[in-house]
Amino acid sequence: DQQVKQNSPSLSVQEGRISILNCDYTNSMFDYFLWYKKYPAEGPTFLISISSIKDKNEDGRFTVFLNKSAKHLSLHIVPSQPGDSAVYFCAASGRGTSYGKLTFGQGTILTVHP
Amino acid sequence: DAGVTQSPTHLIKTRGQQVTLRCSPKSGHDTVSWYQQALGQGPQFIFQYYEEEERQRGNFPDRFSGHQFPNYSSELNVNALLLGDSALYLCASSRDGRYEQYFGPGTRLTVT
Repeated sequence: DQQVKQNSPSLSVQEGRISILNCDYTNSMFDYFLWYKKYPAEGPTFLISISSIKDKNEDGRFTVFLNKSAKHLSLHIVPSQPGDSAVYFCAASGRGTSYGKLTFGQGTILTVHP
Repeated sequence: DAGVTQSPTHLIKTRGQQVTLRCSPKSGHDTVSWYQQALGQGPQFIFQYYEEEERQRGNFPDRFSGHQFPNYSSELNVNALLLGDSALYLCASSRDGRYEQYFGPGTRLTVT
């Protein structure tokens, strides 16, 4: 049972354009969502997070949007840079049995072309 | 400020053997979580340690066990290794009460 899903295995974007990565979840107990970036041979790096009491959080070029009714979140990167090329994971945490653990999606490979 | 460190970087073991992986958390962090990442998948939660006790556990068999020391560092032990245990093992640390977890570079375990 995949509680967090990233349905796009890969995304290719031109440098300077917007990258939009999507994520869906099914567990209503999730109330905190995070995005991580992972380069080969490194551990995931925390990018940005959002609490379920908000619908948007911004940090520089990165913005995360949360649509609770649709159980959907997205990460926008503007403008995209070649150094952004990596695997992006969304993750969720929350209350009850979800507390303390991160449940990850399968990841989306982002390639930004110069 | 040192981040999360893990050792060893790579490890090759034979089926049936036992392995111990080590993790030192980021300075100021008191909680350690362990994840298993298979190729092409997202990390899967194994368990979390806080105040030297296992606080939360994922869907992993009892062959996977852990320990947290008074200095907050942690070990992951896997007994009776199976071929399917081959994966990247990630340690993450956090402050109690905070959702954000910070990951180490991982230990690549290969079981032959």
